[in-house]
Amino acid sequence: QSVLTQPPSVSGAPGQRVTISCTGSSSNIGAGYDVHWYQQLPGTAPKLLIYANTNRPSGVPDRFSGSKSGTSASLAITGLQAEDEADYYCQSYDSSLSGSVFGGGTKLTVL
Amino acid sequence: QVQLQESGPGLVKPPQTLSLTCTVSGGTISGGGYYWNWIRQHPGKGLEWIGYIYYRGSTYYNPSLKSRVTISVDTSKNQFSLKLSSVTAADTAVYYCARADYDSDLDWYFDLWGRGTLVTVSS
Repeated sequence: QSVLTQPPSVSGAPGQRVTISCTGSSSNIGAGYDVHWYQQLPGTAPKLLIYANTNRPSGVPDRFSGSKSGTSASLAITGLQAEDEADYYCQSYDSSLSGSVFGGGTKLTVL
Repeated sequence: QVQLQESGPGLVKPPQTLSLTCTVSGGTISGGGYYWNWIRQHPGKGLEWIGYIYYRGSTYYNPSLKSRVTISVDTSKNQFSLKLSSVTAADTAVYYCARADYDSDLDWYFDLWGRGTLVTVSS
């Protein structure tokens, strides 16, 4: 069981908006540590999508956005495209575990 | 641009030591400003951070693996390495090396990843 909780799956039709939640606790997100998001396309390595809660690396479309509030964070994807079908992971630091932790991952299906 | 490439045996017998190397090209580890990490992904599962090394040699390990993990760096070869001792079938996973940028000592994120290498632990 992951320290950061994500829904196992979400789905949406092309063009729609979907959100993926990442729920933590007072020892990680709630303690003020940043949340980062990764996209893992089938058979490939994860790719940084959002860093420090809301920032997009160069080259990531602005269809992807991140937010954080309290002990949770969210990744929003607007204008859903078939190429967005992938696994998405959140990541933060946990002071109780003294290390970097990931969410269990969310599989996005584009209907 | 900077690229990372993992290398090492794809099959390790229990209870031997798993050894992997990550070669960094297009940039230099000794330039500073980044942590150099190992992360693994069990088949069909999520991601698990193993630990990192800074170019000066300081390390930080996942406490759950700390007793079995050693990460080292060879700046002359622009490489860093992972050793995981006393492996079992539970250590079968895809192992990634990754570069981490950071805003503060504890807020780091993985901005560059290798392609990963599957290591199977089996007799």
